[in-house]
Amino acid sequence: GAGVSQSPSNKVTEKGKDVELRCDPISGHTALYWYRQRLGQGLEFLIYFQGNSAPDKSGLPSDRFSAERTGESVSTLTIQRTQQEDSAVYLCASSLYRGDRVRGYTFGSGTRLTVV
Amino acid sequence: SQQGEEDPQALSIQEGENATMNCSYKTSINNLQWYRQNSGRGLVHLILIRSNEREKHSGRLRVTLDTSKKSSSLLITASRAADTASYFCATANAGGTSYGKLTFGQGTILTVHP
Repeated sequence: GAGVSQSPSNKVTEKGKDVELRCDPISGHTALYWYRQRLGQGLEFLIYFQGNSAPDKSGLPSDRFSAERTGESVSTLTIQRTQQEDSAVYLCASSLYRGDRVRGYTFGSGTRLTVV
Repeated sequence: SQQGEEDPQALSIQEGENATMNCSYKTSINNLQWYRQNSGRGLVHLILIRSNEREKHSGRLRVTLDTSKKSSSLLITASRAADTASYFCATANAGGTSYGKLTFGQGTILTVHP
């Protein structure tokens, strides 16, 4: 597609439920990133996929968080047993390749997750 | 922890004035990027400056980079009300297994009054 697409755009869930967030990167982009942004805060790195290399999972805050990506296509971020502190906007971004020094990243519009 | 520290946290100016935002960072970088965010959703890439560059221009934007001081500034000239947004700097790792990983600062909230 023309841009990075994220779904759903908004999600309200009950504490303790699992949620799955989806990201469709720009076609041909090999690098894909997930970030979390709490209200009024900067972006917190979660995970980074680059082609067939092992993903950089160093930003995942707990073992309740996991993410997968099939090849160079769709990625899903799963949060198990959601907690209220998981409430945030989850942003996905893709770039042609990691360390792209020309184009930067293209971001999706995010998924606003509210845990009640 | 956040790599970039931005200053000021909030900036309020009149239309037509210039806006300057600063960013400091701690480790070696491959490049530094500035992004704009409206209404707390998707970010838009504004400009990228490589570690071997000192200044870059794009329209009304001017970015400087001082790697010896580990700092960057974003200047928006002749600001418009439509420039009202949050602005973030982000640094890309220089090497290792996390090469290219982008780390964001806390952002500067810019308000331009008509």
